[in-house]
Amino acid sequence: AQKITQTQPGMFVQEKEAVTLDCTYDTSDQSYGLFWYKQPSSGEMIFLIYQGSYDEQNATEGRYSLNFQKARKSANLVISASQLGDSAMYFCAMREGETSYDKVIFGPGTSLSVIP
Amino acid sequence: DAGVIQSPRHEVTEMGQEVTLRCKPISGHDYLFWYRQTMMRGLELLIYFNNNVPIDDSGMPEDRFSAKMPNASFSTLKIQPSEPRDSAVYFCASSPQGRNEKLFFGSGTQLSVL
Repeated sequence: AQKITQTQPGMFVQEKEAVTLDCTYDTSDQSYGLFWYKQPSSGEMIFLIYQGSYDEQNATEGRYSLNFQKARKSANLVISASQLGDSAMYFCAMREGETSYDKVIFGPGTSLSVIP
Repeated sequence: DAGVIQSPRHEVTEMGQEVTLRCKPISGHDYLFWYRQTMMRGLELLIYFNNNVPIDDSGMPEDRFSAKMPNASFSTLKIQPSEPRDSAVYFCASSPQGRNEKLFFGSGTQLSVL
């Protein structure tokens, strides 16, 4: 069963504008981690930001912030002041473990295009 | 720190041939994950290991796929026999123990089965 949903297959944003990429997840674990990765056209996977299930503050890393709504099981990525180099695929991932061993699964991704 | 090392970077083979993909995780990492990425199916978790022991191989698509981790510094993913639908990018990733730990990805192996 799909456990991570990213409902926006493709997004466009004007350069210097902010953009929100959606991510919802499903888990019965109380302890889990949520991650966002960026994959540019070159193919490498780049870690952006992490949010723990017990963290009360939303995570921030430079221009990236995570809008974490635990009750809604959503972890949306906000990119402020978009740059042309932000054009890439963005994946939401969850680290959890039903059997006490950690498993990391990814959502289907959102393709972001930044328009000059 | 060399990071996660995968080889080969590119592999082109003919249907029916055996393919072996290799991965060297970061030293000291407890977890190793194998993923397959395609346009249609995204990033699929194939199998993962904890301290060299396979924990969950439910993502392995068929018996043609097998993975081993004989020691903490080496893992292989083997496809035998290969089929055109196996064409994809295969990523290896490693991480330390802990739900707050990010994955460190290798550069991936681009596999083309003709």
